[in-house]
Amino acid sequence: ETGVTQTPRHLVMGMTNKKSLKCEQHLGHNAMYWYKQSAKKPLELMFVYNFKEQTENNSVPSRFSPECPNSSHLFLHLHTLQPEDSALYLCASSPGLAAIWGEQFFGPGTRLTVL
Amino acid sequence: SQQGEEDPQALSIQEGENATMNCSYKTSINNLQWYRQNSGRGLVHLILIRSNEREKHSGRLRVTLDTSKKSSSLLITASRAADTASYFCATASIIQGAQKLVFGQGTRLTINP
Repeated sequence: ETGVTQTPRHLVMGMTNKKSLKCEQHLGHNAMYWYKQSAKKPLELMFVYNFKEQTENNSVPSRFSPECPNSSHLFLHLHTLQPEDSALYLCASSPGLAAIWGEQFFGPGTRLTVL
Repeated sequence: SQQGEEDPQALSIQEGENATMNCSYKTSINNLQWYRQNSGRGLVHLILIRSNEREKHSGRLRVTLDTSKKSSSLLITASRAADTASYFCATASIIQGAQKLVFGQGTRLTINP
């Protein structure tokens, strides 16, 4: 256990559905991240939140909408997805302070399939 | 691009042998990290090496960093079947106070019993 949980672990949705992915960290960290991992592609950073403020949106389509209500929770709202959005979505956290360089702690991921 | 690139993409060895994976990157870094991922699961941090370090050990892991060549290597000694996984290098930078990692495509390591 890394201290980062993600729900659901698996999700199948149609292109017209709206769903949300949830991430929660119990580590007292201030930075949280969403990554997308597709087959045969490097792990892609999607969003970064630091102290609940979004600091990076890595040119992600608007059909992905992140929400960070507090430093412990991160959501990814999904709407009108495409089949190519099928992937493993990983959440991570880190202390978030520039003075502290260190590892990121990853959740187990949500395997998303878009039909 | 700061993206790390691992080499080889896949490696298959016998249990007990040593496994070496390489990573190259393109820009200056503060640190370089190695992660492991079992199939379809989250990533687990293995080791971090700072830009002013040349070598670091952790158990059966040995990491080297050559900033002049912009490359790093991960050596796993006395491999075990349980080491079968994908291994990723990631270069670290800071964006507005939060650490940003850029990952390579990974090396798929298979340890044969």
